[in-house]
Amino acid sequence: AQSVTQPDIHITVSEGASLELRCNYSYGATPYLFWYVQSPGQGLQLLLKYFSGDTLVQGIKGFEAEFKRSQSSFNLRKPSVHWSDAAEYFCAVGERGSQGNLIFGKGTKLSVKP
Amino acid sequence: DVKVTQSSRYLVKRTGEKVFLECVQDMDHENMFWYRQDPGLGLRLIYFSYDVKMKEKGDIPEGYSVSREKKERFSLILESASTNQTSMYLCASRGRPETQYFGPGTRLLVL
Repeated sequence: AQSVTQPDIHITVSEGASLELRCNYSYGATPYLFWYVQSPGQGLQLLLKYFSGDTLVQGIKGFEAEFKRSQSSFNLRKPSVHWSDAAEYFCAVGERGSQGNLIFGKGTKLSVKP
Repeated sequence: DVKVTQSSRYLVKRTGEKVFLECVQDMDHENMFWYRQDPGLGLRLIYFSYDVKMKEKGDIPEGYSVSREKKERFSLILESASTNQTSMYLCASRGRPETQYFGPGTRLLVL
């Protein structure tokens, strides 16, 4: 069965520091991969997605993620964090040719220190 | 831009009441989803629909039902609300390819 693991429940970084949020998945083939962000009390906003091709994908708000097939990982990165990036981040995996169902990780909460 | 709206942001209901949560999307998407989100448990799929009047159970359908009479509208129904259904409910609509777009969520409190 597919699964998604976000090993870090909570991460705190200083404003201006770099950020990497980890995501590992378990799936037999190359899945669709997504990162979403959720601000407190809000719905999920799509940050970026990977379907095929270039393994480094760019998203909104200065985020990027790299698909590494050998490590079954899709880590999210940002070179310089802003206070407004404080939120919860969810990695998700989808199966090609399915009804569009996604499997979500349990999320990583990001706090930003001034 | 895809727009997914949910009928209420906050809702307070009493145990035993029938509760309707509505979701509307404006992009003619075929697939729509209902999730509940609880701290430490992430998002769990309740039901999804891949066409008008078609529905499939997700991982946690017990205590819920759904209705899809029009393509743009997908309703979640709590037949008899219970306190363990207090949660954040998120609706999503699937665009192509395979990308889900979420509404703002409804925070439901059952007393």
